[in-house]
Amino acid sequence: AQSVAQPEDQVNVAEGNPLTVKCTYSVSGNPYLFWYVQYPNRGLQFLLKYITGDNLVKGSYGFEAEFNKSQTSFHLKKPSALVSDSALYFCAVRDNNDMRFGAGTRLTVKP
Amino acid sequence: EPEVTQTPSHQVTQMGQEVILRCVPISNHLYFYWYRQILGQKVEFLVSFYNNEISEKSEIFDDQFSVERPDGSNFTLKIRSTKLEDSAMYFCASSRLNEKLFFGSGTQLSVL
Repeated sequence: AQSVAQPEDQVNVAEGNPLTVKCTYSVSGNPYLFWYVQYPNRGLQFLLKYITGDNLVKGSYGFEAEFNKSQTSFHLKKPSALVSDSALYFCAVRDNNDMRFGAGTRLTVKP
Repeated sequence: EPEVTQTPSHQVTQMGQEVILRCVPISNHLYFYWYRQILGQKVEFLVSFYNNEISEKSEIFDDQFSVERPDGSNFTLKIRSTKLEDSAMYFCASSRLNEKLFFGSGTQLSVL
């Protein structure tokens, strides 16, 4: 069965600095990988996805993610963090009918 | 952008009571899901539904849980006899095959 792991419960960065939220995956076939963000008291919002093609995927709000097959990783990145990026971030993997989420990483961006 | 809608936004019930959480998926989506999240932590998969039957379910989705698509638009999650530990935010989602999931804003279930 497919799964994703987010090794960090919490990531703290200063505003203006680059940020990385880590994700590794385990799938039996080709991975369909996603990042979602959850703001307080809200549902999950789609950020970006990797299905095939370029390893660097660009998404909403200036976020991007790099698919690395050899390291089975799909880390979320942003060159310059904003305070408003503070939220809970979930990596997810999809296999046909099923999507499974990582445990989530709480990103805090301090002014 | 199309939306998944969930009702009610909050549900308070007594332990042992039945609750039905309602969802209206996006109209041209064929895959439907229920997830739950306890205290803003991990998003836990409950069940996926396609072609009028359950595709997959997790160990959480025991005999107390059931899902139904009673008509062409609604998708419901029923908990027959609620327990304290069922208190959580329940999210409905829908999608097309191998595409992103669209999530509703959730139903906060509180079991007293």
